[in-house]
Amino acid sequence: QITLKESGPTLVKPTQTLTLTCTFSGFSLSTSGVGVGWIRQPPGKALEWLALIYWDDDKRYSPSLKSRLTITKDTSKNQVVLTMTNMDPVDTATYYCAHSSGGSAHHPWGQGTLVTVSS
Amino acid sequence: DIQMTQSPSSLSASVGDRVTITCRASQGIRNDLGWYQQKPGKAPKRLIYAASSLQSGVPSRFSGSGSGTEFTLTISSLQPEDFATYYCLQHNSYPDTFGQGTKLEIK
Repeated sequence: QITLKESGPTLVKPTQTLTLTCTFSGFSLSTSGVGVGWIRQPPGKALEWLALIYWDDDKRYSPSLKSRLTITKDTSKNQVVLTMTNMDPVDTATYYCAHSSGGSAHHPWGQGTLVTVSS
Repeated sequence: DIQMTQSPSSLSASVGDRVTITCRASQGIRNDLGWYQQKPGKAPKRLIYAASSLQSGVPSRFSGSGSGTEFTLTISSLQPEDFATYYCLQHNSYPDTFGQGTKLEIK
């Protein structure tokens, strides 16, 4: 059974850097074709894809946020880390991580973690 | 970026109704599309993958169709637990993009 769980701060100040960790089980990020991605959802708004990292360390980013995002993996710890710099109140959202494999994208998802950006 | 235009944005229906939600892609995406259901305070749950394949454990009243640029999600007979928000997602080319969502409400 594949499970994922997001962790990180619930409150960050404007201009700070956000670091989120996705800890997963039930699969390995060293298996060919496997990836873990991040998606966010501002309160009451639609979903927005952010980034994805593959087993071979191939990384993909949302063009609109690419300059602010970094995604990394620690295969031995079964973790994927997303950092987002220069946080702003508009970045307030629930952040989700999700598993991808082969042609099957974004399933399942973690429960999500709400991050509020406020001074 | 590929734009996903989802319609309608909201829909009011009754238990037992047949409901269809549509997503149009700004360019061809083969069948690289999924449909997700999201209930308040919960993570999205995938219902359909590869445009028309039913996710394991999902009731058969849900079905998907389409290929290329036009896709539909159909719920054949609405049940009380189906009232939620639905999203399409294309993963044909990066960045992956979601539709704006369809909020399905009880009439």
